[in-house]
Amino acid sequence: QVQLVESGGGVVQPGRSLRLSCAASGFIFSNYAMHWVRQAPGKGLEWVAVIWKDGSHAYHADSVKGRFTISRDNSKNTVWLQMNSLRAEDTAVYYCAREYYDGSGSASKFAYWGQGTLVTVSS
Amino acid sequence: QSALTQPASVSGSPGQSITISCTGTNSDVGGYNYVSWYQQHPGKAPKVMVYDVSNRPSGVSNRFSGSKSGNTASLTISGLQAEDEADYYCCSHTSSNTGVFGGGTKLTVL
Repeated sequence: QVQLVESGGGVVQPGRSLRLSCAASGFIFSNYAMHWVRQAPGKGLEWVAVIWKDGSHAYHADSVKGRFTISRDNSKNTVWLQMNSLRAEDTAVYYCAREYYDGSGSASKFAYWGQGTLVTVSS
Repeated sequence: QSALTQPASVSGSPGQSITISCTGTNSDVGGYNYVSWYQQHPGKAPKVMVYDVSNRPSGVSNRFSGSKSGNTASLTISGLQAEDEADYYCCSHTSSNTGVFGGGTKLTVL
């Protein structure tokens, strides 16, 4: 069965960096675009970033552009989110999600989600 | 990348039907048939209920249905049940190859 397991969350000071990982299993990882979605405490879902199945294209939300970078290694079945210059407003549960269909590109629809990893930015 | 507009809350009695709207622009909801809906119970990860405007994943009750007209998509839940009480989010693909969510709607089953 499809499994997505996030890790790397924790408490970090403003301005510092953190890298989140998402280990995938149960499907052919290299066939699917992968996303990161976050949810601040008590707030709604916010799309963060997507990387296409072959890593050829990556897109980020305006709120994180220039600070966060999504990447993947298809040989390791893993997608990462490198988060730099963290701010208090980046505090959230970060979910990894798999695109619905295999193929090129992304339609921003999510068939499977991990359980999330909490990132707290605080001094 | 402004969030899609959803009502903050809706409510209904068991057995009734409710509809949640999701309004965007020509650059997202109106421009693509890539609107999806997610149900989220407290402390849980979201679950897809409808994708591509009106398609239902296997295993999702046929009480859930989706539609779209212009820049507004809708999720209808018929025959409300207690377990439907949750937060619901719409999401659309955008012309920038990004995703955008609605602000979320809290469904209360009275």
